[in-house]
Amino acid sequence: EIVLTQSPVTLPLSPGERATLSCRASQSVSSYLAWYQQKPGQAPRLLIYDASNRATDIPARFSGSGSGTDFTLTISSLEPEDFAVYYCQQRSNWPLTFGGGTKVEI
Amino acid sequence: EVQLVESGGGLVQPGGSLRLSCAASGFTFNTYAMAWVRQAPGKGLEWVSRISGSGGTIYYADSVKGRFTISRDNSKNTLYLHMNSLRADDTAVYYCAKNLAVASSGPFDYWGQGTLVTVSS
Repeated sequence: EIVLTQSPVTLPLSPGERATLSCRASQSVSSYLAWYQQKPGQAPRLLIYDASNRATDIPARFSGSGSGTDFTLTISSLEPEDFAVYYCQQRSNWPLTFGGGTKVEI
Repeated sequence: EVQLVESGGGLVQPGGSLRLSCAASGFTFNTYAMAWVRQAPGKGLEWVSRISGSGGTIYYADSVKGRFTISRDNSKNTLYLHMNSLRADDTAVYYCAKNLAVASSGPFDYWGQGTLVTVSS
């Protein structure tokens, strides 16, 4: 099973600041990595797929990069609605796995 | 508009059974793989199972293999999760999710609102 380790666990920032979230895989997942955003009481929302492709209707301030074992989600300038928990997920190998999440908080 | 609506959650005793349903609309259901993902209270996301569009290819997480069965009825645009031998650690919100692409292992571009399963005596 591929283990995804996200860091930091908590990221305290202010609106307008840049957020950099990390996801490290225990073995290569090529580019088969996605990022989701989840707000309290809501289902996850797909942000980025295959490492760097923005999903439909996702604002340009969200970007993804990386390949192999090291990936980054960047939010260029935080909006108030961006404070949430972010998960990475790999689809390279079965079972599909998620990272433990990073909470971006004010 | 894509919609996924789960139902069937509730309180069940340890060792009991439950069947979850996910009614899908707004897309050609029989061409997309579907999945179940769960989230224990206050915890992260855990993938549970995935079924191909035809129903011919199925995968399970080790934690549910042999106890849970995923299935679909393409004539009814409905996804199911049959859960047997339920344990306390199966307590979670269960989401159904649609594959982004027709022929891939993910990711998931649409999710239902979730249905809560509580396993307790």
